[in-house]
Amino acid sequence: EPEVTQTPSHQVTQMGQEVILRCVPISNHLYFYWYRQILGQKVEFLVSFYNNEISEKSEIFDDQFSVERPDGSNFTLKIRSTKLEDSAMYFCASSGQGRNEQFFGPGTRLTVL
Amino acid sequence: GENVEQHPSTLSVQEGDSAVIKCTYSDSASNYFPWYKQELGKGPQLIIDIRSNVGEKKDQRIAVTLNKTAKHFSLHITETQPEDSAVYFCAASRIAGSARQLTFGSGTQLTVLP
Repeated sequence: EPEVTQTPSHQVTQMGQEVILRCVPISNHLYFYWYRQILGQKVEFLVSFYNNEISEKSEIFDDQFSVERPDGSNFTLKIRSTKLEDSAMYFCASSGQGRNEQFFGPGTRLTVL
Repeated sequence: GENVEQHPSTLSVQEGDSAVIKCTYSDSASNYFPWYKQELGKGPQLIIDIRSNVGEKKDQRIAVTLNKTAKHFSLHITETQPEDSAVYFCAASRIAGSARQLTFGSGTQLTVLP
Protein backbone atom coordinates (compact mmCIF):
# COMPACT_ATOMS: atom_id res chain seq x y z
CA GLU A 1 0.00 0.00 0.00
CA PRO A 2 1.49 3.38 -0.96
CA GLU A 3 2.43 5.66 1.91
CA VAL A 4 3.92 9.07 2.64
CA THR A 5 7.51 8.90 3.85
CA GLN A 6 9.50 11.55 5.73
CA THR A 7 13.17 12.03 6.53
CA PRO A 8 14.82 12.40 8.92
CA SER A 9 12.73 10.87 11.69
CA HIS A 10 14.48 13.10 14.24
CA GLN A 11 16.44 16.32 13.66
CA VAL A 12 18.33 18.17 16.35
CA THR A 13 19.59 21.66 15.56
CA GLN A 14 20.93 24.77 17.22
CA MET A 15 18.78 27.89 17.45
CA GLY A 16 19.34 30.10 14.42
CA GLN A 17 20.33 27.25 12.12
CA GLU A 18 18.49 26.33 8.93
CA VAL A 19 16.76 22.98 8.64
CA ILE A 20 15.16 21.19 5.72
CA LEU A 21 12.56 18.53 6.33
CA ARG A 22 11.90 16.13 3.49
CA CYS A 23 8.81 14.27 2.39
CA VAL A 24 7.98 11.89 -0.41
CA PRO A 25 4.21 12.07 -0.99
CA ILE A 26 2.19 9.24 -2.45
CA SER A 27 2.93 9.08 -6.17
CA ASN A 28 0.18 10.54 -8.40
CA HIS A 29 -1.05 12.74 -5.54
CA LEU A 30 -1.28 16.40 -6.45
CA TYR A 31 -1.97 18.20 -3.17
CA PHE A 32 0.70 18.45 -0.50
CA TYR A 33 0.57 19.74 3.05
CA TRP A 34 2.69 20.41 6.11
CA TYR A 35 1.27 20.29 9.62
CA ARG A 36 2.98 20.50 12.97
CA GLN A 37 2.17 19.18 16.44
CA ILE A 38 3.81 20.68 19.49
CA LEU A 39 4.08 18.06 22.23
CA GLY A 40 0.70 17.50 23.86
CA GLN A 41 -1.12 19.97 21.61
CA LYS A 42 -3.34 19.94 18.53
CA VAL A 43 -2.14 19.18 15.05
CA GLU A 44 -1.88 22.58 13.33
CA PHE A 45 -2.00 23.39 9.63
CA LEU A 46 1.02 25.19 8.19
CA VAL A 47 0.73 25.24 4.40
CA SER A 48 -0.78 23.53 1.39
CA PHE A 49 0.77 23.29 -2.07
CA TYR A 50 -0.82 22.57 -5.43
CA ASN A 51 0.25 23.07 -9.01
CA ASN A 52 3.69 24.26 -7.91
CA GLU A 53 2.44 27.05 -5.72
CA ILE A 54 1.16 27.65 -2.21
CA SER A 55 -2.64 27.32 -1.99
CA GLU A 56 -3.12 28.28 1.64
CA LYS A 57 -0.94 29.11 4.59
CA SER A 58 -1.57 29.74 8.25
CA GLU A 59 -0.34 32.54 10.46
CA ILE A 60 2.38 30.20 11.71
CA PHE A 61 3.87 30.00 8.22
CA ASP A 62 5.79 33.28 8.25
CA ASP A 63 8.81 34.45 6.23
CA GLN A 64 11.06 31.98 8.05
CA PHE A 65 9.25 29.08 6.39
CA SER A 66 9.30 28.02 2.76
CA VAL A 67 8.23 24.97 0.78
CA GLU A 68 9.50 23.52 -2.43
CA ARG A 69 8.90 20.63 -4.75
CA PRO A 70 12.39 20.39 -6.28
CA ASP A 71 11.64 17.34 -8.43
CA GLY A 72 8.78 15.01 -9.25
CA SER A 73 8.86 13.16 -5.95
CA ASN A 74 10.13 15.27 -3.04
CA PHE A 75 8.33 17.98 -1.09
CA THR A 76 10.41 19.97 1.39
CA LEU A 77 9.83 22.36 4.27
CA LYS A 78 12.64 24.77 5.07
CA ILE A 79 12.96 26.79 8.26
CA ARG A 80 15.59 29.48 7.69
CA SER A 81 16.50 30.45 11.23
CA THR A 82 15.09 28.06 13.80
CA LYS A 83 13.69 29.24 17.11
CA LEU A 84 13.16 27.26 20.30
CA GLU A 85 9.40 27.38 19.72
CA ASP A 86 9.82 25.59 16.38
CA SER A 87 10.45 22.39 18.33
CA ALA A 88 7.59 20.08 17.31
CA MET A 89 6.64 17.06 15.27
CA TYR A 90 6.23 18.03 11.62
CA PHE A 91 3.89 15.97 9.48
CA CYS A 92 3.70 15.91 5.71
CA ALA A 93 0.46 14.84 4.03
CA SER A 94 -0.80 14.38 0.50
CA SER A 95 -4.10 13.89 -1.29
CA GLY A 96 -5.13 12.92 -4.77
CA GLN A 97 -6.98 14.74 -7.53
CA GLY A 98 -10.69 14.88 -6.80
CA ARG A 99 -10.19 13.27 -3.39
CA ASN A 100 -10.55 14.90 0.01
CA GLU A 101 -8.66 12.30 2.05
CA GLN A 102 -5.27 13.44 3.34
CA PHE A 103 -2.72 10.76 4.09
CA PHE A 104 -0.07 11.59 6.67
CA GLY A 105 3.54 10.56 6.95
CA PRO A 106 5.14 9.33 10.19
CA GLY A 107 6.54 12.76 11.02
CA THR A 108 9.89 14.39 11.74
CA ARG A 109 10.59 15.34 15.32
CA LEU A 110 12.46 18.66 15.29
CA THR A 111 14.33 19.64 18.44
CA VAL A 112 15.80 23.14 18.57
CA LEU A 113 18.40 23.69 21.30
CA GLY B 1 -11.36 30.85 11.03
CA GLU B 2 -12.60 27.42 11.92
CA ASN B 3 -12.48 26.18 15.52
CA VAL B 4 -13.01 22.54 16.45
CA GLU B 5 -13.73 21.45 20.01
CA GLN B 6 -13.41 17.78 21.00
CA HIS B 7 -14.64 15.88 24.07
CA PRO B 8 -13.72 14.02 26.14
CA SER B 9 -9.96 14.44 26.34
CA THR B 10 -9.60 10.96 27.87
CA LEU B 11 -11.89 7.96 27.69
CA SER B 12 -11.52 4.53 29.26
CA VAL B 13 -13.84 1.67 28.33
CA GLN B 14 -13.95 -2.05 28.97
CA GLU B 15 -13.16 -4.31 26.07
CA GLY B 16 -16.36 -5.02 24.16
CA ASP B 17 -18.08 -1.80 25.21
CA SER B 18 -18.78 1.13 22.92
CA ALA B 19 -16.89 4.42 22.81
CA VAL B 20 -18.25 7.76 21.66
CA ILE B 21 -16.19 10.88 20.94
CA LYS B 22 -17.86 14.18 20.11
CA CYS B 23 -16.75 17.27 18.22
CA THR B 24 -18.27 20.64 17.43
CA TYR B 25 -17.18 23.07 14.74
CA SER B 26 -17.77 26.77 14.26
CA ASP B 27 -17.63 27.43 10.51
CA SER B 28 -20.95 26.58 8.86
CA ALA B 29 -19.11 26.44 5.51
CA SER B 30 -17.09 23.38 6.58
CA ASN B 31 -18.13 20.42 4.45
CA TYR B 32 -15.69 17.62 5.16
CA PHE B 33 -15.10 15.89 8.50
CA PRO B 34 -12.43 13.19 8.83
CA TRP B 35 -11.40 11.21 11.90
CA TYR B 36 -7.80 10.18 12.50
CA LYS B 37 -6.24 7.61 14.81
CA GLN B 38 -2.74 8.30 16.08
CA GLU B 39 -0.68 5.61 17.73
CA LEU B 40 2.38 6.46 19.78
CA GLY B 41 5.25 7.66 17.61
CA LYS B 42 3.26 7.50 14.37
CA GLY B 43 1.47 9.92 12.09
CA PRO B 44 -2.32 10.35 12.08
CA GLN B 45 -4.09 7.57 10.20
CA LEU B 46 -7.42 8.30 8.50
CA ILE B 47 -10.06 5.87 9.78
CA ILE B 48 -13.32 7.32 8.49
CA ASP B 49 -14.67 10.54 7.03
CA ILE B 50 -18.00 12.12 6.22
CA ARG B 51 -19.12 14.84 3.87
CA SER B 52 -21.73 17.44 4.72
CA ASN B 53 -24.34 15.96 2.37
CA VAL B 54 -24.47 12.77 4.45
CA GLY B 55 -25.80 12.33 7.99
CA GLU B 56 -24.19 9.01 8.89
CA LYS B 57 -21.52 6.67 7.61
CA LYS B 58 -20.49 3.26 8.88
CA ASP B 59 -17.48 1.04 8.29
CA GLN B 60 -17.56 -2.22 10.25
CA ARG B 61 -17.20 -1.29 13.95
CA ILE B 62 -16.74 2.43 13.27
CA ALA B 63 -19.47 4.95 12.51
CA VAL B 64 -19.62 8.72 12.23
CA THR B 65 -22.70 10.92 12.53
CA LEU B 66 -23.05 14.54 11.47
CA ASN B 67 -25.61 17.13 12.57
CA LYS B 68 -25.11 20.15 10.32
CA THR B 69 -27.75 22.24 12.07
CA ALA B 70 -26.09 21.86 15.45
CA LYS B 71 -22.60 21.82 13.91
CA HIS B 72 -21.46 18.70 15.67
CA PHE B 73 -20.25 15.26 14.63
CA SER B 74 -19.41 12.12 16.56
CA LEU B 75 -17.31 8.98 16.26
CA HIS B 76 -18.79 5.71 17.50
CA ILE B 77 -16.66 2.61 18.01
CA THR B 78 -18.54 -0.57 18.91
CA GLU B 79 -17.17 -3.81 20.36
CA THR B 80 -13.93 -2.09 21.34
CA GLN B 81 -10.69 -4.07 21.36
CA PRO B 82 -7.35 -3.34 23.07
CA GLU B 83 -5.83 -2.41 19.68
CA ASP B 84 -8.33 0.45 19.45
CA SER B 85 -6.36 2.18 22.22
CA ALA B 86 -4.85 5.35 20.70
CA VAL B 87 -5.40 9.09 20.39
CA TYR B 88 -8.31 9.99 18.13
CA PHE B 89 -8.58 13.37 16.40
CA CYS B 90 -11.55 14.87 14.65
CA ALA B 91 -11.04 17.53 11.98
CA ALA B 92 -13.04 19.85 9.79
CA SER B 93 -12.34 21.37 6.40
CA ARG B 94 -13.97 23.68 3.90
CA ILE B 95 -13.17 22.07 0.58
CA ALA B 96 -13.24 24.71 -2.17
CA GLY B 97 -11.02 24.36 -5.22
CA SER B 98 -7.46 23.81 -4.03
CA ALA B 99 -8.29 25.00 -0.52
CA ARG B 100 -8.67 22.11 1.90
CA GLN B 101 -6.74 22.75 5.10
CA LEU B 102 -7.76 20.62 8.06
CA THR B 103 -8.54 22.14 11.45
CA PHE B 104 -8.06 19.53 14.15
CA GLY B 105 -9.66 18.98 17.52
CA SER B 106 -7.48 18.58 20.59
CA GLY B 107 -7.64 14.78 20.61
CA THR B 108 -9.11 12.02 22.78
CA GLN B 109 -6.90 9.43 24.45
CA LEU B 110 -8.92 6.21 24.26
CA THR B 111 -7.90 3.33 26.51
CA VAL B 112 -9.59 -0.04 26.08
CA LEU B 113 -9.17 -2.12 29.22
CA PRO B 114 -8.91 -5.90 28.74
